Amino acid sequence: GQSLEQPSEVTAVEGAIVQINCTYQTSGFYGLSWYQQHDGGAPTFLSYNALDGLEETGRFSSFLSRSDSYGYLLLQELQMKDSASYFCAVRDQSAPGNTGKLIFGQGTTLQVKP
Amino acid sequence: DVKVTQSSRYLVKRTGEKVFLECVQDMDHENMFWYRQDPGLGLRLIYFSYDVKMKEKGDIPEGYSVSREKKERFSLILESASTNQTSMYLCASRGLVPNEQFFGPGTRLTVL
Repeated sequence: GQSLEQPSEVTAVEGAIVQINCTYQTSGFYGLSWYQQHDGGAPTFLSYNALDGLEETGRFSSFLSRSDSYGYLLLQELQMKDSASYFCAVRDQSAPGNTGKLIFGQGTTLQVKP
Repeated sequence: DVKVTQSSRYLVKRTGEKVFLECVQDMDHENMFWYRQDPGLGLRLIYFSYDVKMKEKGDIPEGYSVSREKKERFSLILESASTNQTSMYLCASRGLVPNEQFFGPGTRLTVL
């Protein structure tokens, strides 16, 4: 089967760095994505990694290691507004090729404390 | 900016009622999705559509149906609402970046 695992909760203080891990199990692989969702809001797309390595976008970076079936989201200089849930996602290999159907992890709730 | 809108933010219905949730996107996207989100269960796909009048079941289609008569509009229908369908319903459309989906603001449905 296909599955993603990520921690349910992470806590960090303002100004710190936090890493949210995601391990995946899929029959094929077409990249790992991350989404952010604030409480009561809609998920918003953060990043997509198809190749190994670190991709940086401002304070957020996303890393992928295909050999380890593992990725992480790195948040630097944490701010209170970063308190949210973060989901990793991969393409569902069981779906027709071009449907864009995703499988989401259960989500990691990040709490940033003053 | 891509915009995905949903017809209601909050909805309260009674058991047995037929419920329509509407979703509209303005970027000419072909693929659209309906999810429900419940605490501890993450995002679960109900139905998706990859073209007008085309639909595919997701992971939890029981008790739901969908309609896609126009490319920009994807409707979720609860034929006979039940209390276990109380949930947050999220609509999304697929963007150009791989694995990118744009979500609407969600409809929090309560079935009494």
